[in-house]
Amino acid sequence: TQLLEQSPQFLSIQEGENLTVYCNSSSVFSSLQWYRQEPGEGPVLLVTVVTGGEVKKLKRLTFQFGDARKDSSLHITAAQPGDTGLYLCAGAPTQGGSEKLVFGKGTKLTVNP
Amino acid sequence: DAGVTQSPTHLIKTRGQHVTLRCSPISGHKSVSWYQQVLGQGPQFIFQYYEKEERGRGNFPDRFSARQFPNYSSELNVNALLLGDSALYLCASSFFPTSGGETQYFGPGTRLLVL
Repeated sequence: TQLLEQSPQFLSIQEGENLTVYCNSSSVFSSLQWYRQEPGEGPVLLVTVVTGGEVKKLKRLTFQFGDARKDSSLHITAAQPGDTGLYLCAGAPTQGGSEKLVFGKGTKLTVNP
Repeated sequence: DAGVTQSPTHLIKTRGQHVTLRCSPISGHKSVSWYQQVLGQGPQFIFQYYEKEERGRGNFPDRFSARQFPNYSSELNVNALLLGDSALYLCASSFFPTSGGETQYFGPGTRLLVL
């Protein structure tokens, strides 16, 4: 069974601070996706990374896929209250050819004004 | 274009009852997956359907079943409800199932409470 571990589980910071969320596994994934979810709603896709070592930037968010495709990180620069939410990483298994995504438990981020 | 839609948005049932949840994928998407998200956890994979056929199943009991219709919409059925079935049930759609890089788009979910 492929597992994804996210850290930290909870993060509370002040507006303007920087933060990094980590997503780690002992298994290799063919791709990894990051989602943001607000209470009572479905996850909203932020980015998909496919190539080992890939770095993608989305405004103040920077996503990196590890060289071995076993881990990923999300870095937010100058966090804003609107960044508050549950950040989930999800990996597509290398075997099976299915769309089954394996999710981490998420990082609950609170950005205080 | 409309995103993934799910109905109902909220549902309250009692133990032992049966429930049917519905999902309409994004227009043009032929694959639908179902996930269960218990409070405080990440979503867990239940089923994947493509072209009306089951392509994958997660570690869930036989009380859980699903089907996909010719218009690619889908239903998730849960029999003999237990308290532990209380969760947010998410539907996700994509063009087709491939390994690597295929993006799934999630609906808003159905919040099920079992009393």
